[in-house]
Amino acid sequence: DIQMTQSPSTLSASVGDMVTITCRASEDITNGLAWYQQKPGEAPKLLISMASTLRRGVPSRFSGSGSGTDFTLTISTLQPEDVATYYCQQYSEYVWTFGQGTKVEIK
Amino acid sequence: EIQLVQSGAEIKKPGESLRISCTASGYTFSTYWIGWVRQTPGQSLEWMGIIYPGDSDTRYNPSFRGFVTISADKSTNTAFLQWQSLTASDSAMYFCARSRSSRNPFDPWGQGTLVTVSS
Repeated sequence: DIQMTQSPSTLSASVGDMVTITCRASEDITNGLAWYQQKPGEAPKLLISMASTLRRGVPSRFSGSGSGTDFTLTISTLQPEDVATYYCQQYSEYVWTFGQGTKVEIK
Repeated sequence: EIQLVQSGAEIKKPGESLRISCTASGYTFSTYWIGWVRQTPGQSLEWMGIIYPGDSDTRYNPSFRGFVTISADKSTNTAFLQWQSLTASDSAMYFCARSRSSRNPFDPWGQGTLVTVSS
């Protein structure tokens, strides 16, 4: 299986800060990568597909980049409602696999 | 509105069987894949498997093959995840989610079904 490694595992930042989460795949997945947001007590929600395509309705402060093995999720100006755990997921090949998650908190 | 609505929380004893469901609405059920994802307390997400209701083509994560069965009923727009004999390690939150194809991520997700297995 392709292993997905996220960092950091926890991130604390102030409102208005730029936040960056990284995700590394154990092998080349081209651009078969998604980012999800999961708030406490809720199901995950898709933010970004194909590494950089923002899902309709997702605020433009979220962006994704990367290809191959290294990917990044950026929140340009952190808002209180962005407190959540963020997961990357590769869907390049079965078995689809997820990163271990990055918990974003407000400082 | 595209929705996946899952069945309610379950409390079972070890050795019991269980089937949980995921009912879709707002789109043509048979033309999208439905997958299942496990989330254990405080842990990440594990892809269990996926089914194409149109022809029941099913792919399993080898880690779950033989332990669960994924199925779908086109007549009721419902997908199922089934266990023949539960163990305590099956205690988790289970999500269903829709995918356009094997080259597309999950969107949307069901609200989740909490399964607790305890003697």
